Amino acid sequence: DTEVTQTPKHLVMGMTNKKSLKCEQHMGHRAMYWYKQKAKKPPELMFVYSYEKLSINESVPSRFSPECPNSSLLNLHLHALQPEDSALYLCASSQGWANEQYFGPGTRLTVT
Amino acid sequence: QQQVKQSPQSLIVQKGGISIINCAYENTAFDYFPWYQQFPGKGPALLIAIRPDVSEKKEGRFTISFNKSAKQFSLHIMDSQPGDSATYFCAAIISGNTPLVFGKGTRLSVIA
Repeated sequence: DTEVTQTPKHLVMGMTNKKSLKCEQHMGHRAMYWYKQKAKKPPELMFVYSYEKLSINESVPSRFSPECPNSSLLNLHLHALQPEDSALYLCASSQGWANEQYFGPGTRLTVT
Repeated sequence: QQQVKQSPQSLIVQKGGISIINCAYENTAFDYFPWYQQFPGKGPALLIAIRPDVSEKKEGRFTISFNKSAKQFSLHIMDSQPGDSATYFCAAIISGNTPLVFGKGTRLSVIA
């Protein structure tokens, strides 16, 4: 089973809201990733967790806050977002750091 | 040195034809080259991948050709079908060392 699940599928939020995106995998992978993807662009890496520790933060604004509660779950907490943060947010996982990655279906986020 | 250059940006192929997408890289330390297929509104799906010790890998209608000396690799889709219409991303990675480096993507349209 190479499935990564993400909830919700769609999210509309105002600039003053607080929301969270969730990601789950049951493949026993020890690395999990958050990507942001704008239309017609490749995914852009935001955060990497390896063995539940944050190992990469690609200079992402503090209004995005990742959390890895356990080896199967990854959250992305959102607060005070801007309209330009509207994008498809993708979660991925891999067996080890910088190995073959499997992506979830994404959360389509719209900030109004 | 971390870039992967992908071409063409877009491609229109007749049903039953061969689709060819090319990628080039500079960093000879890359040791794993996956291709991802992405349909609109969905996450990228791992399609096929190759390591540099192999010159060709075939899975069904999809073939990767790898030229280590030229630092190039390509995806061939034989007998292209309308259902293959999607955006294709090549990528490269140094296993256990760096995150995925994506090409900019190729939007493929297969017309009947």
